Amino acid sequence: GIQVEQSPPDLILQEGANSTLRCNFSDSVNNLQWFHQNPWGQLINLFYIPSGTKQNGRLSATTVATERYSLLYISSSQTTDSGVYFCAVWLNRDDKIIFGKGTRLHILP
Amino acid sequence: KAGVTQTPRYLIKTRGQQVTLSCSPISGHRSVSWYQQTPGQGLQFLFEYFSETQRNKGNFPGRFSGRQFSNSRSEMNVSTLELGDSALYLCASTLSRYRGPLPHGTQYFGPGTRLTVL
Repeated sequence: GIQVEQSPPDLILQEGANSTLRCNFSDSVNNLQWFHQNPWGQLINLFYIPSGTKQNGRLSATTVATERYSLLYISSSQTTDSGVYFCAVWLNRDDKIIFGKGTRLHILP
Repeated sequence: KAGVTQTPRYLIKTRGQQVTLSCSPISGHRSVSWYQQTPGQGLQFLFEYFSETQRNKGNFPGRFSGRQFSNSRSEMNVSTLELGDSALYLCASTLSRYRGPLPHGTQYFGPGTRLTVL
């Protein structure tokens, strides 16, 4: 099955810094989504991005499907950005959705 | 539109009991997926329902089952609870018109049900 690796596993930054989170996957996928899990456990959709680039405020994401990776960019970090960021991938013809283990982000005030 | 709702939010059970969790998707969404999240295994796919049919199931024992009703609301049931079933159970809904085995498009998650098995 598809393997998903996220890096780095942990990231500590000062408020205002920029960051790049990476999601590598081992096979071609039809679907890819980025989520933020807040301290209360709620998973919040950030981007559905099987290919290309999208932007939403301070966040943007790029997926290069042919090279099997996706990047999530966070600019001008705020303390509310803290939490765990997951990517999830799946094929339309496959039998499961695979999540990476996440990147835990700590933004210090 | 109201988001995905899950009930109950917290649950404490003892080994051997069974439990039923409920998920109401976003209005108009026909696909509901269930996930288990534990510190050790992370987020794992349980199963997905579309138009009252289970389209796919992850690698979980038969003690884990589910169903979907005609209004797209879904329930999952775990019988003969084990200590290892303690987890956060999340459901997600998708506006999925694709009739393949998995949802196609953005998944929206509920707040989860935190199950503790003693």
